[in-house]
This record gives sequence, C-alpha cells and structure tokens, in this order.
Amino acid sequence: KAGVTQTPRYLIKTRGQQVTLSCSPISGHRSVSWYQQTPGQGLQFLFEYFSETQRNKGNFPGRFSGRQFSNSRSEMNVSTLELGDSALYLCASSRALGARTEAFFGQGTRLTVV
Amino acid sequence: KQEVTQIPAALSVPEGENLVLNCSFTDSAIYNLQWFRQDPGKGLTSLLLIQSSQREQTSGRLNASLDKSSGRSTLYIAASQPGDSATYLCAVEEDDKLIFGTGTRLQVFP
Repeated sequence: KAGVTQTPRYLIKTRGQQVTLSCSPISGHRSVSWYQQTPGQGLQFLFEYFSETQRNKGNFPGRFSGRQFSNSRSEMNVSTLELGDSALYLCASSRALGARTEAFFGQGTRLTVV
Repeated sequence: KQEVTQIPAALSVPEGENLVLNCSFTDSAIYNLQWFRQDPGKGLTSLLLIQSSQREQTSGRLNASLDKSSGRSTLYIAASQPGDSATYLCAVEEDDKLIFGTGTRLQVFP
C-alpha cells in the first residue's frame, strides 16, 4: 500500500515568486492536512481539505491557499514568497475529517526562499 | 489554548537502555494522542495512536501510556538501538487539528 507522496522534495524560489506543492494521500483517505515545520515555530497547522472542501484553517496569511481534487490529491500554493516561508511543508492523510483518526505523513517538501 | 510540552528536549543513551519520553498537555479534553518519529530532514512516521478512552498502546518495543486527567503521556522504548536515533514528537487533537509538542531528540550510541 503506497504511502503519502509529496512532490517536489526540494524547491528553491526567489522572494516574490509563487510556488505550488503537491500531495497524494493514501488510497481511500479523503482528508488531507498541511503543516509547516520551522526550527523556531515547530509544526503548525495550515489547513485541512476533505471532499474537495476546505474544512479547517490555521492562523496563516491569505498568501497560503490550497485545493483538493476529486481523487483526493491536494495542492498547496504560496504566493508572494517571503524569506520566512522557508520551511519543511508536510502533508498528512487520514480516513476521516479532522484529526480523530490516525494521521500518516509524507516525506515533506523542503522550500528555501532566497 | 492547548500547549504541548516534551521533556527532555534531548537525550543521549548507550545502546540497550530502556527509555521514557514524556509529553504533557494543558487541556485534558483531547480526543486522542499520537506519537511520531522524525528522522533528520524527513517526514513524520506514525508510531502509536491512543484514543482518549484508552490507557495505553503497544507496538513491538514501544509502549505509550495516556493519563488524560493529569495531562500526560509517556513513550517507553525498550532495549534501545542505534536505529532508534531520531526526534520523537507527540501530538494531541484539538479543534480537528493536531497540536504538536517541541519534540525529544534521541541519540542512541553503540
């Protein structure tokens, strides 16, 4: 059974650019959540998508957005990149909405903004 | 607001030792608690999930306990091995999202 797949694994972008990250959940899982991990703030929740709808959102600016497709794959977009957006972005898939079932994480996308 | 704390922040032990990692949370009204392992630069690997109605879960050399009333969970690692070296994170569910602790960085040396 394939795990959670995130692409690309590494990205280097310039300030002001935008970026799109992709996440394919475990087959049969309908919930995809996104987290940002930085040395200073640790792991912080960005948002969750379930059945193509955003169901929950963390405390991040509107530059961070996402979507989910009918096959449950999800994309996350960050516009007008800032140096502080450099982080490891992790997505998690689970069977049900919310964090009430076991969450399985991908390997992450390492974003560096220069 | 839920706050999750992990003690110690770092731990270095010789191979073969039994270990206890601690996780505490401020709001006991949690639905579940999950323990993860993270290798450097990698994603999170789920180790154990404990529902709020459970007291403990076991998987191989790992045993996690949960005491909701006191806001504590412990992860017990038996007979540690160098391959156990990683950062261990606990997370509790709140408002349909995971709130993570700061992690314990474990190093097991031969």
